[in-house]
Order: sequence, then structure tokens, then C-alpha cells
Amino acid sequence: SQQGEEDPQALSIQEGENATMNCSYKTSINNLQWYRQNSGRGLVHLILIRSNEREKHSGRLRVTLDTSKKSSSLLITASRAADTASYFCATDIPGGGADGLTFGKGTHLIIQP
Amino acid sequence: EPEVTQTPSHQVTQMGQEVILRCVPISNHLYFYWYRQILGQKVEFLVSFYNNEISEKSEIFDDQFSVERPDGSNFTLKIRSTKLEDSAMYFCASNLDRDMPTNEKLFFGSGTQLSVL
Repeated sequence: SQQGEEDPQALSIQEGENATMNCSYKTSINNLQWYRQNSGRGLVHLILIRSNEREKHSGRLRVTLDTSKKSSSLLITASRAADTASYFCATDIPGGGADGLTFGKGTHLIIQP
Repeated sequence: EPEVTQTPSHQVTQMGQEVILRCVPISNHLYFYWYRQILGQKVEFLVSFYNNEISEKSEIFDDQFSVERPDGSNFTLKIRSTKLEDSAMYFCASNLDRDMPTNEKLFFGSGTQLSVL
């Protein structure tokens, strides 16, 4: 798998249900970030979790990080139609200054009203 | 909240032509970036810029690409001779506030959709 690879590629759920997206990566990281992209728009930063953290919350978002499995999950609780978007994980790799984040292909989330 | 702005939102050009994509990063940020996203594919890092010079660049950022910060507020990406495969959404981003050097999250613009015909 590639660095920062999300699954599933697409997810469709009913409004009010929880949505879980996963991200796997291959190398060591400084931090892992989740971004959201509405169709045709830029990416919006949602949450950052550092390599020494295991879980983080922000509103209806919960992110976990398992560095031993090199994986992260993003949980959106009580989903709303407005949560429909693509969600990307991005990893910040040690050793570079501003060498950019490595993004996955994203999970396209559709919330059915 | 301050935001990164990009112009134009959509640029159509003929193959072989030069294009300049423009960005105004958030004013007190120190690092500036260009990323691109080919339709249906992942967001790819092109280049980062700090202290008026390129900090890092990817393999994609070949001699056809250049960046410039001409006047202290604008940050531009130039593609000298466009190819069909340059068609993509190009995103500008900035980060690292002078007052908050540990803020790693990126602030993205809405992107410029480049179509090379």
C-alpha cells in the first residue's frame, strides 16, 4: 500500500449514523492529519494527531492512531448531510523541513438524508 | 478567519503555452506550498517555499515549473510550456504563523482548475 492510503474509497450511510474511515501508512511519521474536501473546493484541516498520541477528539470527530500498525481512523459521530465530502489523511514524515505532507486518495463519504 | 486566496478559479490554455497561477497566502505565514490534484487522484506535493527560496520540491516539479514571491504578498506558480498532463486542480497552501511556529496544519486555497487543451 502507498503512504497515506484510505479505505474505504467510498462510503454511503444514513444521516445520524456514525462514519468510520481508515488510513494506513508505511513510514515513521511526526504527525498525521485529516482534511476534508467538498466537491470542487480546497482542503480544510480537521484534526492533527502526533506520533506520541493515541486518540484525539474535536467536536463530533474522533481520531485514533496506532503507530505499531501504522494506521489511523477517523470517526464522525451522528453524521449530517453536510458531512458529505471527501476525507483525506496526510502524513508528516520526519527528516524534512517543509517537505510537504503526503496525502492519500481519500474516502468519499455520502450522507443520505 | 484569514484564508488563502487563489486566482483564477479556472484557467484554460493551449498546450505549449505558459500559465501563471496566483496565490495570496495568509499574511503572517512563513511557508508556502503548491500541490496539485489530477481528477480522481491523490493530492500531490509540488514545492515548498520559505525565506524567498525553494525549500523542497518533488519529482513532479521539473524545469517547466517555477515559483516566485514577487512582492511580499503574492506567491505564483509558473508552468513554462504546458502539457496535456498538466491538467489538474492546483492548490496553494501556507502555514507556520510567526507567532505560532509549531502550528503544522496547512491552510489551503480553493484551487485553480487548469485545463490544457
